[in-house]
Amino acid sequence: AQKVTQAQTEISVVEKEDVTLDCVYETRDTTYYLFWYKQPPSGELVFLIRRNSFDEQNEISGRYSWNFQKSTSSFNFTITASQVVDSAVYFCALSEAGTGANNLFFGTGTRLTVIP
Amino acid sequence: GAGVSQSPSNKVTEKGKDVELRCDPISGHTALYWYRQSLGQGLEFLIYFQGNSAPDKSGLPSDRFSAERTGGSVSTLTIQRTQQEDSAVYLCASSPFQETQYFGPGTRLLVL
Repeated sequence: AQKVTQAQTEISVVEKEDVTLDCVYETRDTTYYLFWYKQPPSGELVFLIRRNSFDEQNEISGRYSWNFQKSTSSFNFTITASQVVDSAVYFCALSEAGTGANNLFFGTGTRLTVIP
Repeated sequence: GAGVSQSPSNKVTEKGKDVELRCDPISGHTALYWYRQSLGQGLEFLIYFQGNSAPDKSGLPSDRFSAERTGGSVSTLTIQRTQQEDSAVYLCASSPFQETQYFGPGTRLLVL
């Protein structure tokens, strides 16, 4: 069965600190996709990144970077030099291409608070 | 371009009443999904539409929940005989086939 675990429920950091949000997943599919979404206080889920199971290259986008390691079934997300605007709940999610539906299985989210 | 829109933004209803929630997907997106976000259950999948195929209803929590998608575009999620445990934010997402899902702002449902 598929599962996404975000063990960190809440994290607080001081502005300009780096922070890493952990995500561990379980799936029996060999083809799957991993996602990160941001949910700011406004409530809308904002897409951040999508990775497929065959691409383990790390990715950097501005202050954001992602580390995908199949050996540990992890897809961690790092924010460098955090800012107050980064305060939000961050969700890691998995979809299994083998099911055809591609519906997302979400972790329980990590609430990040950046203190000015 | 226009994103996914949902209406109403908020809905307050009395226990036992029926409610309809509407989703307008991004133009050209063939896939449409409904999710529910509640304090106790987190984010959970409800139903999936893809083109003219039969919908995947595997996530619907009870037969009081149903959804339809007319003309491959707008979708309506209907909850009959609402219960207090139905209180949640109902999120709609759309995507091209097997691509990234983009979410709407959600409908916050409160059942009194």
